[in-house]
Amino acid sequence: NAGVTQTPKFQVLKTGQSMTLQCAQDMNHNSMYWYRQDPGMGLRLIYYSASEGTTDKGEVPNGYNVSRLNKREFSLRLESAAPSQTSVYFCASSEVTGQGGEKLFFGSGTQLSVL
Amino acid sequence: RKEVEQDPGPFNVPEGATVAFNCTYSNSASQSFFWYRQDCRKEPKLLMSVYSSGNEDGRFTAQLNRASQYISLLIRDSKLSDSATYLCVARGNKLVFGAGTILRVKS
Repeated sequence: NAGVTQTPKFQVLKTGQSMTLQCAQDMNHNSMYWYRQDPGMGLRLIYYSASEGTTDKGEVPNGYNVSRLNKREFSLRLESAAPSQTSVYFCASSEVTGQGGEKLFFGSGTQLSVL
Repeated sequence: RKEVEQDPGPFNVPEGATVAFNCTYSNSASQSFFWYRQDCRKEPKLLMSVYSSGNEDGRFTAQLNRASQYISLLIRDSKLSDSATYLCVARGNKLVFGAGTILRVKS
């Protein structure tokens, strides 16, 4: 099982450029997420999708758009990159476990630098 | 104030030591709690869920104190391979991650 596959692993952009981060999961999960991780800030939720065809804003959605293309794929787009978007981005999907638990499976991350 | 707060560390301990991390959460409506482990430059992975009665998984013990709104993780007989960042997570209507506590186990 590949789990959660995220591309690219590294990207350098100039201010104002656009790009799309791709994410796909093969575990048949309904819920998918995009997080960013910055030093001292922890993981912050950008957008999430509870099921195919639905997306919702998280804690830090400004400057991003998402698309839940189908159950497997959830992409994150930066329309006009800014230096403040320099970060490590993680895609995740989740499954509900016993006793009300929830387990997130993360992709390997994208290190994005905006100059 | 952050919704989930952790001591960033680092905690530097010798092999075989017992080490404990605490984490506080501010949202009293939080219902589920977890510890994730993150190795350097890698993705986080679920270490264990935290149940109201406390739970143990091998050398790891997690406790929840709802009255004081904190979660703890105890690691006994530390191994070099335990060196990582430990993320505390609370779920109310959404998952909220702490910034993590760095553990370094030295020989």
